[in-house]
Amino acid sequence: QVQLVQSGAEVKKPGASVKVSCKASGYTFTTYDIHWVRQATGQGLEWMGWMNPHSGNTGYAQKFQGRVTMTRDTSISTAYMELSSLRSEDTAVYYCTRSPYPSDYWGQGALVTVSS
Amino acid sequence: DIVMTQTPLSSPVTLGQPASISCRSSQSLVHSDGNTYLSWLQQRPGQPPRLLIYKISNRFSGVPDRFSGSGAGTDFTLKISGVEAEDVGIYYCTQATQFPYTFGQGTKLEIK
Repeated sequence: QVQLVQSGAEVKKPGASVKVSCKASGYTFTTYDIHWVRQATGQGLEWMGWMNPHSGNTGYAQKFQGRVTMTRDTSISTAYMELSSLRSEDTAVYYCTRSPYPSDYWGQGALVTVSS
Repeated sequence: DIVMTQTPLSSPVTLGQPASISCRSSQSLVHSDGNTYLSWLQQRPGQPPRLLIYKISNRFSGVPDRFSGSGAGTDFTLKISGVEAEDVGIYYCTQATQFPYTFGQGTKLEIK
């Protein structure tokens, strides 16, 4: 069965970077795009961008341009989302999800807390 | 960016009664390929979202038939024909017609 398993919770200081992983199983990793969505505590959902695991092509929401990088390692069927220059407003649960977007395949979420 | 506006933001419903959530987009969601990429998601506390409806009215596999979607262009509706206790959660509309993909603010469905 299709599964997306994300890395664990992280605590970072303002100005630091965080890299969240999303390991796919149960399907051919390079066949479907991976999207990243975040959700601040008690808030709504926010789409951050997508990556094509086959080509490595990416597309980011303008809000995150220059701060986010989505990459992958096809040898271990894992996608990554790195967010830099972290600020308190980046405290959120970060989800990976698979295409076709929106799908019913989501990671369990990774809580990133930004605090001094 | 396409702005998605949901109403109401909170919906207290009696068990067994119908519920309806509206979603309006700031521009047409009809894609150049002729499809309208408007979907509805349900999120229960502490869980990732779950896909209910895609392309306006297509129920995803395993979704009970009490959920239905309708609409066109910029106005869309999710209906639950008879609310059950397990339907409690937050419902989001989302568009995948144009980047960046965007979501409505969410509608909290609760039991009276």
